[in-house]
Order: sequence, then structure tokens, then C-alpha cells
Amino acid sequence: AQSVTQLGSHVSVSEGALVLLRCNYSSSVPPYLFWYVQYPNQGLQLLLKYTTGATLVKGINGFEAEFKKSETSFHLTKPSAHMSDAAEYFCAVSDRSGGSNYKLTFGKGTLLTVNP
Amino acid sequence: EADIYQTPRYLVIGTGKKITLECSQTMGHDKMYWYQQDPGMELHLIHYSYGVNSTEKGDLSSESTVSRIRTEHFPLTLESARPSHTSQYLCASSELWTGVGGELFFGEGSRLTVL
Repeated sequence: AQSVTQLGSHVSVSEGALVLLRCNYSSSVPPYLFWYVQYPNQGLQLLLKYTTGATLVKGINGFEAEFKKSETSFHLTKPSAHMSDAAEYFCAVSDRSGGSNYKLTFGKGTLLTVNP
Repeated sequence: EADIYQTPRYLVIGTGKKITLECSQTMGHDKMYWYQQDPGMELHLIHYSYGVNSTEKGDLSSESTVSRIRTEHFPLTLESARPSHTSQYLCASSELWTGVGGELFFGEGSRLTVL
């Protein structure tokens, strides 16, 4: 079974500092990879996804993530944090082996706090 | 902006009551889902549907039931609520399955508290 590990349930950065949120997955077949963001009292929305092609993926709001197959990682970064980035971030992977097209496995989330 | 709506946003009820959480989307998506979200935990899929008259149980066992009579509507029902049902319930829809890279569009959630 697939699993997703997000290192650090809570990350705190200063405004203007680098944001790095870590995500590792376990899968025998390289999966499709997603980052979703959840702002307070809202549902999740897609930040970015990796399916095929270029391993560095750019998303909304200046975020990007790099798929590293050898490290089974898909870490999310942003060069300069804004106060508006404060939210919870979820990494998710889907099974592309064809067995369970509906299934998306989520990590436990990382709460990002941005300090002024 | 996603066009998927959930009502009620917040609900506090007593044990034994029947509740229905409504979910509607205007994007014409065939695939719809219900996830359960608890603080500090992964989202868990409890139900999904791939079209009208199709409903399937997800990976997390749930005492709730769902129906899909119309493409745009996917309500979730608890016949007799218990405190263990206290959670946030998120409805989502997608054009493609996530297994082929499809994006999920989420509603804002329904936070249920059972006393």
C-alpha cells in the first residue's frame, strides 16, 4: 500500500524567508504527485501536480516542487514567504498502476505559519 | 474558483438524530467523493461515485450512506448520529480520476459535532 510522509507537522518561517515543506512517498511505481493547500475554514485547492515530463513543477502563488525518483520525494518550496501563505499543506499521491484510479493517498499535512 | 457547494457548513446535533450533508457541483463532473478530515490526520475517502446511480465505499469504513440520483448532487446521510461521527466532511469532484492525474475540486466542508 502507498504511504505519504510529510516531515514536520508544523513549520514556522519569517516573512521573506524560504519555505520548504517535505514530502516522501512509498510506491513501487512512480505515482502522480500533488500538493494541495487548505486555508482556514476552507476546502483544499490544488497548488501543483506532477504527472509526466519535467520534474520541476511550477504552481500557483509562486510555489514549485521537484520530483526526485531516486529519493522518492516531492518537496514543496517557495523562495520568499508571504503572510498570505499561512495555511495547511497536504502532499498526496495517486496509484498510476491502474488498480485504483479513484484512490488518492494524503499525508497528514504541514501547518505553515508565517511570522512578520 | 471551484463551483462546489456544501451545506450546512457547521452542524451541532444530539445523539440519535438523522442528518444529511448536502453537496452540489456545477462543473458537470462525473466523479464525486466524500472525505473525512480530522485534525492532524490524513484525509480519508469514505465514499465515491463515478456517475449517476453509482456509489462505492472508500477505504475508511463509515456508517454513512450516499446517493447519486443527479450528476450534480451527492448527499451524505447518517441515519443515527453518534459522538464518534464528529468530524469534518469534505465533498470533492473531478473530471478525471486522480489515478490519471485528475485534479480534485473541494467544497468548503461541513463540520459536524454530535453531542
